[in-house]
Amino acid sequence: GQQLNQSPQSMFIQEGEDVSMNCTSSSIFNTWLWYKQDPGEGPVLLIALYKAGELTSNGRLTAQFGITRKDSFLNISASIPSDVGIYFCAGQLQNQGGKLIFGQGTELSVKP
Amino acid sequence: KAGVTQTPRYLIKTRGQQVTLSCSPISGHRSVSWYQQTPGQGLQFLFEYFSETQRNKGNFPGRFSGRQFSNSRSEMNVSTLELGDSALYLCASRVTVPNNYGYTFGSGTRLTVV
Repeated sequence: GQQLNQSPQSMFIQEGEDVSMNCTSSSIFNTWLWYKQDPGEGPVLLIALYKAGELTSNGRLTAQFGITRKDSFLNISASIPSDVGIYFCAGQLQNQGGKLIFGQGTELSVKP
Repeated sequence: KAGVTQTPRYLIKTRGQQVTLSCSPISGHRSVSWYQQTPGQGLQFLFEYFSETQRNKGNFPGRFSGRQFSNSRSEMNVSTLELGDSALYLCASRVTVPNNYGYTFGSGTRLTVV
């Protein structure tokens, strides 16, 4: 089936550093979404991307929908301790309705 | 505005039993999807419902089923539980307008099969 390759799997960074993570696939996606999940909770939507090449920001977060429609990246600038959590990319394929395919997640740890 | 509500939050069942999980979407959201989250497989799509009709189904055995009611509330059922069904089951809802796939997730139901 379709897969999203998300990297890195985990990151250990110092507070104040910038972070970058990405997702790639062999399939073309119509939509890319980025979610953050805290322990014991469901994923929370951070950014939604709907057009190839689209670059969208949400505070310190910036994400881009790749031109080939097969990849996306998420950047977090000036990380803070509350950025700790697992970040997931998710893609929606054409004609697949509300079915999202998720990456395996990037676990972010921030050292104060 | 209330979020997506899932009940119960935690559940322990025995192998062979069946279980029903409940999801109340955000008011006005008519599309509801279910996902299974495990450490090994990650987040896997189970099914999507809209206006009481299943619109899409993931690659899960027939023991996994769901339904949606006229008020958009949804339930999923797992029959003949297996140890491997232990997982966090997440429900998500969205407004069905063009190009909106930004699902809002509930906190999930943690199912443990013993």
